[in-house]
Amino acid sequence: ILNVEQSPQSLHVQEGDSTNFTCSFPSSNFYALHWYRWETAKSPEALFVMTLNGDEKKKGRISATLNTKEGYSYLYIKGSQPEDSATYLCAFHNNAGNMLTFGGGTRLMVKP
Amino acid sequence: EPEVTQTPSHQVTQMGQEVILRCVPISNHLYFYWYRQILGQKVEFLVSFYNNEISEKSEIFDDQFSVERPDGSNFTLKIRSTKLEDSAMYFCASSEFPSGGLETQYFGPGTRLLVL
Repeated sequence: ILNVEQSPQSLHVQEGDSTNFTCSFPSSNFYALHWYRWETAKSPEALFVMTLNGDEKKKGRISATLNTKEGYSYLYIKGSQPEDSATYLCAFHNNAGNMLTFGGGTRLMVKP
Repeated sequence: EPEVTQTPSHQVTQMGQEVILRCVPISNHLYFYWYRQILGQKVEFLVSFYNNEISEKSEIFDDQFSVERPDGSNFTLKIRSTKLEDSAMYFCASSEFPSGGLETQYFGPGTRLLVL
């Protein structure tokens, strides 16, 4: 059983604050790490797919880093806005097939 | 922008009844997936499907479950005799290529199934 964990489970920040959260995953048989943003009643939206140790990806105010040797990825949001309020999911992809193994998500709430 | 759609958005059924959840994947995608999330738990993989065959399935996907691509656009998940523990949000996803490495799986908005 693959263990993918995210922390914190939830986070309340003020508008304008920068924030970050963590996804930890098995460092063996690593193939890719996916980040999704999921707003209630909407489809989870793909943010990043990361494959190489040391990868850094950026999309607007959101960025992510990857450390495959120690098995973690950070997601950063700079200058949080209320519209960033969502659950952020990471999903681990090992080299054994097509399935994604998800973490429990970090629920971010940004107060205006 | 193309998107994965799912119907119905909510379904309530009695224990022991059959349900069919429907998905329309993105039109040029060839790989299809079902995941589910029981309330308060993690999203879990159920099955992947390619070329009219199951390519991978989890331990959850037992004989009660089946998948089908009945025509060129729909992808369905059938639960033959629902149990209380089947209550969950069921997500369909699709990808253009096998989801290895860089390939993104695109998710639908989910069907919330409640078994009474």
